[in-house]
Amino acid sequence: GQQLNQSPQSMFIQEGEDVSMNCTSSSIFNTWLWYKQEPGEGPVLLIALYKAGELTSNGRLTAQFGITRKDSFLNISASIPSDVGIYFCAGLSLKDSNYQLIWGAGTKLIIKP
Amino acid sequence: ETGVTQSPTHLIKTRGQQVTLRCSSQSGHNTVSWYQQALGQGPQFIFQYYREEENGRGNFPPRFSGLQFPNYSSELNVNALELDDSALYLCASSLDRGRQFFGPGTRLTVL
Repeated sequence: GQQLNQSPQSMFIQEGEDVSMNCTSSSIFNTWLWYKQEPGEGPVLLIALYKAGELTSNGRLTAQFGITRKDSFLNISASIPSDVGIYFCAGLSLKDSNYQLIWGAGTKLIIKP
Repeated sequence: ETGVTQSPTHLIKTRGQQVTLRCSSQSGHNTVSWYQQALGQGPQFIFQYYREEENGRGNFPPRFSGLQFPNYSSELNVNALELDDSALYLCASSLDRGRQFFGPGTRLTVL
């Protein structure tokens, strides 16, 4: 079945550092989404990408939809303590005339004190 | 505007039992999607309900079933529970199968 390979699995960074994570797939997606999940909560949508090559920002977050439509990255600039959490990429897949989200395994962001 | 709510927040069952999880969708939403999230993994799509009908299903066995009510709230039923069913079950609601808003999840532990 379709899978998304997300890396890195976890990141230990200093406050103020920039962060970069990415997702790759063997399949083409027409929409890429990036979510953040904090303990005890469901995922929250950060950025949605709809076109190959698209670069979209949301505050300190920037995400790009790869030209091949098989990859995407998320950058966080000047990280702050509230950025900690697990970041997921997800691709919107059309299967049997229905759309479903295929998710990566997540990147856990930890900020060193 | 009321967000997505799920009940219960935590649940402990034993193998072979049956469980029902509930989801109240956000006001104005007519679509509910259910996901299973194992520890350390991303969510896995179980199925989606749109206007009270199943509208897509992931790779889950028939003992995972669901229902959507006229007020667009939804239930996820799991029969003959197995140890591997232990996970966080997430519900997401949306309008006309658009952007999904997630609830906090129900943590199911099967002993």
